[in-house]
Amino acid sequence: EVQLQQSGAELGKPGTSVKLSCKVSGYNIRNTYMHWVNQRPGKGLEWIGRIDPANGNTIYAEKFKSKATLTADTSSNTAYMQLSQLKSDDTAIYFCAIDGVATPFDYWGQGVMVTVSS
Amino acid sequence: NTVMTQSPTSMFTSVGDRVTMSCKASQNVGINVGWYQQKTGQSPKRLIYWASNRDTGVPDRFTGSGSGTDFTLTISNMQAEDPAIYYCLQHNSYPYTFGAGTKLELK
Repeated sequence: EVQLQQSGAELGKPGTSVKLSCKVSGYNIRNTYMHWVNQRPGKGLEWIGRIDPANGNTIYAEKFKSKATLTADTSSNTAYMQLSQLKSDDTAIYFCAIDGVATPFDYWGQGVMVTVSS
Repeated sequence: NTVMTQSPTSMFTSVGDRVTMSCKASQNVGINVGWYQQKTGQSPKRLIYWASNRDTGVPDRFTGSGSGTDFTLTISNMQAEDPAIYYCLQHNSYPYTFGAGTKLELK
């Protein structure tokens, strides 16, 4: 069974950074892309970017290019997203998701709440 | 960027109804569209991939159709467990983009 386990809720102060993790079991992340998606309170889903863990190549949505940094550690089958220069509108649930053999976004993590507050 | 426009924004329906919702892409995305169901407090769950393929375990009352710029998700026989927000996603080109969602509620 494929599972994506995300790290716990984060509370960050404005101007600081947080690093979220997404540990995958049952699937080798070298063989897939890892996507990150956010959902602001009461709002819809927004694609942040994706990483190819096999080579570290990343693609970001324009608005997240200076906000998010995606990395992956294939030895631990874990992907990470660092959010920098936190602002109040970064308060959101952040999901990780991986592609399947031939289909995107097959498997999702449970989501992690990031709250930015002083 | 490809804009995915969903309609209606929300709808009320009754058990047993046939429900149809739309997703229109601002440019041709082929069949690179998925439909996702999100219930309150849960992660999105994919129902349909490649525009018209039902995921394993998804009831056959859910049907996806369309290609190019116009896509439809149909629930043939609304059930009590189907209220949720439904999102379309295009994965034809980066950045991937979601529609704003259709909120489906029971009367």
